[in-house]
Amino acid sequence: KAGVTQTPRYLIKTRGQQVTLSCSPISGHRSVSWYQQTPGQGLQFLFEYFSETQRNKGNFPGRFSGRQFSNSRSEMNVSTLELGDSALYLCASSRLTSGGSSYNEQFFGPGTRLTVL
Amino acid sequence: GNSVTQMEGPVTLSEEAFLTINCTYTATGYPSLFWYVQYPGEGLQLLLKATKADDKGSNKGFEATYRKETTSFHLEKGSVQVSDSAVYFCALTGGSYIPTFGRGTSLIVHP
Repeated sequence: KAGVTQTPRYLIKTRGQQVTLSCSPISGHRSVSWYQQTPGQGLQFLFEYFSETQRNKGNFPGRFSGRQFSNSRSEMNVSTLELGDSALYLCASSRLTSGGSSYNEQFFGPGTRLTVL
Repeated sequence: GNSVTQMEGPVTLSEEAFLTINCTYTATGYPSLFWYVQYPGEGLQLLLKATKADDKGSNKGFEATYRKETTSFHLEKGSVQVSDSAVYFCALTGGSYIPTFGRGTSLIVHP
């Protein structure tokens, strides 16, 4: 079974631009989560989508947004980029347990390394 | 809210040494606990998990026991290898459905 794929793997942008990152989950996984990883803040949860609906959201400004398509693929968009947005952005997919009482393990993609100049 | 605290790194060991990476948590209800490992240039991979108190997760020689009384989930391995060099993350999921990760502990194993 193919793993979680993320495109592109590397991206360089300048301040003020916007960027869209893409994530394809493992086949059959309907939950997709996004994380920002930086040396200073560690791994921080951005948001989670399930069946095209945002179910949970972390503490990030509205410049960070996402969406999920009917095939469970997800995109994340960051508008008006700032230097501090430079990070590794990780996507993870999960197969929910029945009743959705908690996450199963999450399967992570290799990440997109975003550099903002 | 939920939180996970891991020991600061880096942890530097010689090959075949014993490893312990401490992890304690704060959570409401009965969370599931996880250890993930991240090798250079890669995303996180699940190493082991435990879903209820006193469960022991194990994989590739690593073990961790869910201790509700001490709210801990310490990672141990009896004999580390150079190939174990990576960053290890303790994590939990609970009623909020938002996974909470520790800051990560870098492990460096020398031959």
